[in-house]
Amino acid sequence: QVQLQESGPGLVKPSETLSLTCAVSGYSISSGFFWGWIRQSPGKGLEWIGSIYYTGITYYNPSLGSRITMSVDRSKNLFSLTLSSVTAADTAVYYCARRYCSGASCYPDYWGQGTLVTVSS
Amino acid sequence: SYELTQPPSVSVSPGETARITCSGDALPKKYAYWFQHKSGQAPVLVLYEDNKRPSGIPARFSGSRSGTMATLTITGAQVEDEFDYYCYSTDSSGDPWVFGGGTKLTVL
Repeated sequence: QVQLQESGPGLVKPSETLSLTCAVSGYSISSGFFWGWIRQSPGKGLEWIGSIYYTGITYYNPSLGSRITMSVDRSKNLFSLTLSSVTAADTAVYYCARRYCSGASCYPDYWGQGTLVTVSS
Repeated sequence: SYELTQPPSVSVSPGETARITCSGDALPKKYAYWFQHKSGQAPVLVLYEDNKRPSGIPARFSGSRSGTMATLTITGAQVEDEFDYYCYSTDSSGDPWVFGGGTKLTVL
């Protein structure tokens, strides 16, 4: 059974950098598929942040501009997110997920439970 | 950027049929997927490839896609079906991952 677990600080100060890690078990990241981050701000819907392939290929949400960096650690079977210059608008529950693909069908099939990150001084 | 549009809310009485729509320009060529979500919990896939149910999803959940619209149908909605529902699809490139704005289903 594939499992994903987010970890990171629950409180980040404005203008600082948010860093989260997603540990994957039950599946090797190096076996394929894209791995992504999604967030839900209070009262809002699910927002895709970005995704990464085990080779390091990345796609980022343009609305978040150059603040995003994602990386993969194949030796530890995890991937990470950093979001710089955070503001209160970045307060959200952050989820990591695997995007499974079979032919023309691609969708996030396994998700972490989510971790709440609050941006506040 | 590509967008999927859902109604903010749908309300039905227990036992009635709930229909949640999702519209998007790429849907004529792309599958739709549906997630059930409660804030702070992992989203749960209830339909994939328009109308296929993962194991464990009740048969009252069904789906369809025609033209630029996909529909999630819950036949005989129950109180325990009260969640936010999100459609998901992609545009021609496969990335980004696009979610609809979400629909709050009330069964009351």
